[in-house]
Amino acid sequence: AQKITQTQPGMFVQEKEAVTLDCTYDTSDPSYGLFWYKQPSSGEMIFLIYQGSYDQQNATEGRYSLNFQKARKSANLVISASQLGDSAMYFCAMREVPGSSYKLIFGSGTRLLVRP
Amino acid sequence: EPEVTQTPSHQVTQMGQEVILRCVPISNHLYFYWYRQILGQKVEFLVSFYNNEISEKSEIFDDQFSVERPDGSNFTLKIRSTKLEDSAMYFCASSEWSGGETQYFGPGTRLLVL
Repeated sequence: AQKITQTQPGMFVQEKEAVTLDCTYDTSDPSYGLFWYKQPSSGEMIFLIYQGSYDQQNATEGRYSLNFQKARKSANLVISASQLGDSAMYFCAMREVPGSSYKLIFGSGTRLLVRP
Repeated sequence: EPEVTQTPSHQVTQMGQEVILRCVPISNHLYFYWYRQILGQKVEFLVSFYNNEISEKSEIFDDQFSVERPDGSNFTLKIRSTKLEDSAMYFCASSEWSGGETQYFGPGTRLLVL
């Protein structure tokens, strides 16, 4: 069974608008972490934002915010005021804490294209 | 700002040859990881390493793979006898500690096996 599901293979957004990238996850562990990474065409993986399962508030980092809905097991990434440089692949990932090496499990990614 | 570095950035090798991919994690980090990404696919976990030993490995990480931390700074992934299907981007990552800390990724090594 998929542990991380990203249902949007591709998204378009107009420059300066906000966009939401969806991510749902599946775990029975009460303690876990959720991450978003950006992968531009050059290939590197850039950490964007982290949300812990016990965090009371949604994480924010500059123009990035994470809409964490624990009961629905979703952790959507919101990018506000999109810029052309935001065009990239975006991966959602989960780390289960107990009894593991804290490896990350990734979703299949969403390709975002920002239109001028 | 400290970062994870990887060398080489690209490597082309013949099937059956050995390759060593090198990583220098962030200096105060204790947990180290290798992941791979076959072109157009998701990132997959290979192995994690802590306290000079493997803490977990995936099904992909068979006997052809090994990892080593030969000194205080380098962390290497060796593939003994490469196969065509080993062609992928290989990422090294490190984190300061395990429970809640972010894994920072290196820029990757793109391996092509011919």
